[in-house]
Amino acid sequence: GAVVSQHPSWVICKSGTSVKIECRSLDFQATTMFWYRQFPKQSLMLMATSNEGSKATYEQGVEKDKFLINHASLTLSTLTVTSAHPEDSSFYICSAAIQDTQYFGPGTRLTVL
Amino acid sequence: GDSVTQMEGPVTLSEEACLTINCTYTATGYPSLFWYVQYPGEGLQLLLKATKADDKGSNKGFEATYRKETTSFHLEKGSVQVSDSAVYFCALGSSNTGKLIFGQGTTLQVKP
Repeated sequence: GAVVSQHPSWVICKSGTSVKIECRSLDFQATTMFWYRQFPKQSLMLMATSNEGSKATYEQGVEKDKFLINHASLTLSTLTVTSAHPEDSSFYICSAAIQDTQYFGPGTRLTVL
Repeated sequence: GDSVTQMEGPVTLSEEACLTINCTYTATGYPSLFWYVQYPGEGLQLLLKATKADDKGSNKGFEATYRKETTSFHLEKGSVQVSDSAVYFCALGSSNTGKLIFGQGTTLQVKP
């Protein structure tokens, strides 16, 4: 139980384009989902907290107009990287919470050329 | 603010050796504590958790005890396998915000 999927698992895009990443809780409903970014050999950096039916809460320093988050249902949250640039290349990981425990997706590797 | 400190890696062990990865924390309130494992190119998997003082979390031969007096949650395994090679993250669940606060991660490499 408590399986979280992400799609796509990897994506390569051209600079200036937008990329959407989906995060789904497959066997449970999650009112809260989280989006993280991870640089090579580093820990996870929380980008934002996504609550179903309301606006996401962004961490300090994260541009909300660049990283658009939509939590449209209890099983789906999306992260859209708008006008992507090479510095946005990273590993993006989502999680879905059941009470105090977060369950993580497998991650999405984004490469911006 | 809340924080988590893990021992630095990488940790290199021979198969069947004993493992200890130290984790200490500072927190207000009564946080839950977690160990997550990340295999190369993958997301994080919950390894074990403990929700209150003196609780012991255990899974797949790994265990950790929530020690409030020493503010620690050290990860232990009696006999490691090559397949245990991964990055291990200690994390604290903030009772105030619900967010996870991660340690920096410890890379474990087990050699045959």
